[in-house]
Amino acid sequence: DSGVTQTPKHLITATGQRVTLRCSPRSGDLSVYWYQQSLDQGLQFLIHYYNGEERAKGNILERFSAQQFPDLHSELNLSSLELGDSALYFCASSPPIGSYEQYFGPGTRLTVT
Amino acid sequence: AQSVTQLGSHVSVSEGALVLLRCNYSSSVPPYLFWYVQYPNQGLQLLLKYTSAATLVKGINGFEAEFKKSETSFHLTKPSAHMSDAAEYFCAVSDPQAGNNRKLIWGLGTSLAVNP
Repeated sequence: DSGVTQTPKHLITATGQRVTLRCSPRSGDLSVYWYQQSLDQGLQFLIHYYNGEERAKGNILERFSAQQFPDLHSELNLSSLELGDSALYFCASSPPIGSYEQYFGPGTRLTVT
Repeated sequence: AQSVTQLGSHVSVSEGALVLLRCNYSSSVPPYLFWYVQYPNQGLQLLLKYTSAATLVKGINGFEAEFKKSETSFHLTKPSAHMSDAAEYFCAVSDPQAGNNRKLIWGLGTSLAVNP
């Protein structure tokens, strides 16, 4: 158990819908990262938040958005969902000092039908 | 810009044989380097990390990796493969000068199969 929690574990929804994925980082970690993992694209970095502020964006679509709240949990919002958005979505957190390793949550498997 | 190359998207070994998974990086400064393992339908788990201390790093499950600056490599090894080692392995690099803007640059992963 990494200490990073993600909910829900599974999500099935229809095209055009909107979903919210939630992540709670490890105690003491200020950074939250979101990743998308699919069979054809591999592991794709989406976005990084540090202590409530956006720090880096990766291959995140405009239909996707994220935020980190004052209690440091984070939410990833996916809207106007398409079949191609079906994937595993991971959240990771890292400590504020040290060597920057990331600790991953168990992931949310999103299926868009 | 930093990049990570994992040579071989699929590696197959026999149980008890040496495991060697290759990772090369490009970085303008000595980086931090990581190996992660992902079992089916699970999140990524940190195997080991190099942070500019000892060049030979020991991790969990009997894995180790050696940082070779001259070769810009950080290959992962295990002397004797177990069936339970079958998984996806990812190499990643981070810029130690990135401060709070740090992120990991990921390799594409190597799928390890262990044959009985």
